[in-house]
Amino acid sequence: QVQLYQWGAGLLKPSETLSLTCSAHGGTLFGYYWSWIRQSPGKGLEWIGEIHRSGVTDYNPSLKSRVTISIDTSKDQFSLKLTSVTAADTAIYYCARKADISMIRGVIPYFDNWGQGTPVSVSS
Amino acid sequence: DIQLTQSPSSLSAFVGDRVTVACRASQNIGLFLNWYRQEPGKAPKLLIYAASTLQSGVSSNFSGSGLGTDFTLTITSLQPEDSAIYYCQQSYTSPQTFGQGTKVEI
Repeated sequence: QVQLYQWGAGLLKPSETLSLTCSAHGGTLFGYYWSWIRQSPGKGLEWIGEIHRSGVTDYNPSLKSRVTISIDTSKDQFSLKLTSVTAADTAIYYCARKADISMIRGVIPYFDNWGQGTPVSVSS
Repeated sequence: DIQLTQSPSSLSAFVGDRVTVACRASQNIGLFLNWYRQEPGKAPKLLIYAASTLQSGVSSNFSGSGLGTDFTLTITSLQPEDSAIYYCQQSYTSPQTFGQGTKVEI
C-alpha cells in the first residue's frame, strides 16, 4: 500500500516561491496521475493541478500562471512550485494520487491516497 | 467551473440515527461524484467513488446514491467516530471541484 509523504518550507514571505515535494513510499508513480490540492478556511478544498509520469500536466486555470508541477520518476517523487505567493496562498497543501475506475458511463477518477498535508503560511 | 453545493452545512444527530448529506452539481456530471471524510487535523479520506462504489476498507454503514446533478451520502447508523466533515467532489471535468463540506456532530 503506497503511502505519500510530503515536505517543504512552511513559512514564506509575499512574492516568494512555494516549493513542496511528495514521495510515494512503498510504490511507484507508474500508472496514475498525481495531484496537489490545497485547503484554506476561505476557499475550502481547491485542486491545484496534476501530473502523469509521462510529464503530461493539467492545472487549475485560477493558478495556472503561477504553478509548475514536475516529476522525478527515478526517485518516485513529484513537486509543486507556486510563484509570487501572497497571503491568499496561505493554506494546508496536500499531495494526492488520482486513481480511476472504468464504467459503462466512462472512466471515473477519484483521489484515493493523500499525503499528510503541509501547512504553509505567507506573511511579511 | 462546476459548482457543488452541499446541504446542510452542518448537522447534529444521535448515535444510531440515519444521516443523509446532499450534494447538488451545477450541471450534469453523470456518476463522476466522489465522497470524502475529513477528521480534525487529518487529510481527507475517500469513502465512496463513482457516486455509489464503496472504497475498500470503508464501513458498509456508508452508502452513496445519485446520478446527474443530485447525489446523497447516507450513514445508516451514526457512530461516535463518524464525527467529521464530509465533502463531495466532481471529477467530470477540469478543474475538479469540491463541495463546501458538511460538518456532522454527534
